[in-house]
Amino acid sequence: DAGVIQSPRHEVTEMGQEVTLRCKPISGHNSLFWYRQTMMRGLELLIYFNNNVPIDDSGMPEDRFSAKMPNASFSTLKIQPSEPRDSAVYFCASSLGGQGNQPQHFGDGTRLSIL
Amino acid sequence: AQSVAQPEDQVNVAEGNPLTVKCTYSVSGNPYLFWYVQYPNRGLQFLLKYITGDNLVKGSYGFEAEFNKSQTSFHLKKPSALVSDSALYFCAVRDINSGYSTLTFGKGTMLLVSP
Repeated sequence: DAGVIQSPRHEVTEMGQEVTLRCKPISGHNSLFWYRQTMMRGLELLIYFNNNVPIDDSGMPEDRFSAKMPNASFSTLKIQPSEPRDSAVYFCASSLGGQGNQPQHFGDGTRLSIL
Repeated sequence: AQSVAQPEDQVNVAEGNPLTVKCTYSVSGNPYLFWYVQYPNRGLQFLLKYITGDNLVKGSYGFEAEFNKSQTSFHLKKPSALVSDSALYFCAVRDINSGYSTLTFGKGTMLLVSP
């Protein structure tokens, strides 16, 4: 049974470049979450989708960040332009249902380094 | 608002001894509570959850947690620690009576089990 799949696993790029992170949720899951993890700030929720619709994007840091979910099996998180302070591990998670009583299943993350 | 506190940054225990990782929460209504574990370079993995019913919840890898409403706590326990339990542990909460549809995670507690 495939889990949440994220790509790439590692990304190193220069400041100012566009970065696109990809996520394939578990089949049948209708909630999808993007998180960012850093030593300083811990685990932060960036955006939450339910049935492909963005429900809560209050955690998106600024307009440089955008997320889309064009269908139930794919989501992207884009940073344009990227800055060194965006360096972090970005996780995608999915869960069944929108009531919050089901566990979230996490991918193994994308480690992003902006030089 | 919903919040969760993990008062210890790190817990040290010898292999074979019992372990406890503490978690307290704050919600205006009733909580859904979760524990997750994170190994190096991996995403968070679900351990156990409390939704309703029995206050003692059993989960993966021999872990259990006790929901205590009067103390607003949900401590993670294991009777006999293994070196392989060494990892970062996160407690998370959702207030089922609020408008929040997402989890709030604690900052994490590093568990180190010595041989």
